[in-house]
Amino acid sequence: GDSVTQMEGPVTLSEEAFLTINCTYTATGYPSLFWYVQYPGEGLQLLLKATKADDKGSNKGFEATYRKETTSFHLEKGSVQVSDSAVYFCALGTGGFKTIFGAGTRLFVKA
Amino acid sequence: DAGVIQSPRHEVTEMGQEVTLRCKPISGHNSLFWYRQTMMRGLELLIYFNNNVPIDDSGMPEDRFSAKMPNASFSTLKIQPSEPRDSAVYFCASSLKSSTGELFFGEGSRLTVL
Repeated sequence: GDSVTQMEGPVTLSEEAFLTINCTYTATGYPSLFWYVQYPGEGLQLLLKATKADDKGSNKGFEATYRKETTSFHLEKGSVQVSDSAVYFCALGTGGFKTIFGAGTRLFVKA
Repeated sequence: DAGVIQSPRHEVTEMGQEVTLRCKPISGHNSLFWYRQTMMRGLELLIYFNNNVPIDDSGMPEDRFSAKMPNASFSTLKIQPSEPRDSAVYFCASSLKSSTGELFFGEGSRLTVL
């Protein structure tokens, strides 16, 4: 069945370091791909999305490219800030109103 | 614009008591989802509604859990009787039909069952 696998955390970085969080997926058809972010004590919120192969989603300095050939949607940011500390979820939309979430990756950014 | 509104934000109750969690989706959204989040199991989809009709409740853990959506602007998740293993954060999310996968989450209801 459809599934999402993302790298285990926690990931600990110093401020201004480069961030990569890996995400791969298994799906039939042509899913949409998403990254959601959850700050402490809050619900998940959409960070960025891509709806077809080779699309790049971007927001708040974060980017991810929909790679069909490698079934991947890795999240990257060139220079992280303390305020980026959160849990990041990769997800895919399968159609039929269902969203499949990865397990989440916790990011800690140290000043 | 108001987002998804959940209440209560925090609930502490004793085992055996009935718990009712409430959700108001974003106006105009016609899909509503209830999720449960725990450290051990992560984010689990419990049930989702489309146009107020339950479409898939296969994630509801057992008969103690029930959910209703009497109209487009209100949904409840009820646990009766509650057990300590039900302690979790329960999230409600809504979406537009045309935006499959793009969900808008509430801030969650943190439930502690003693």
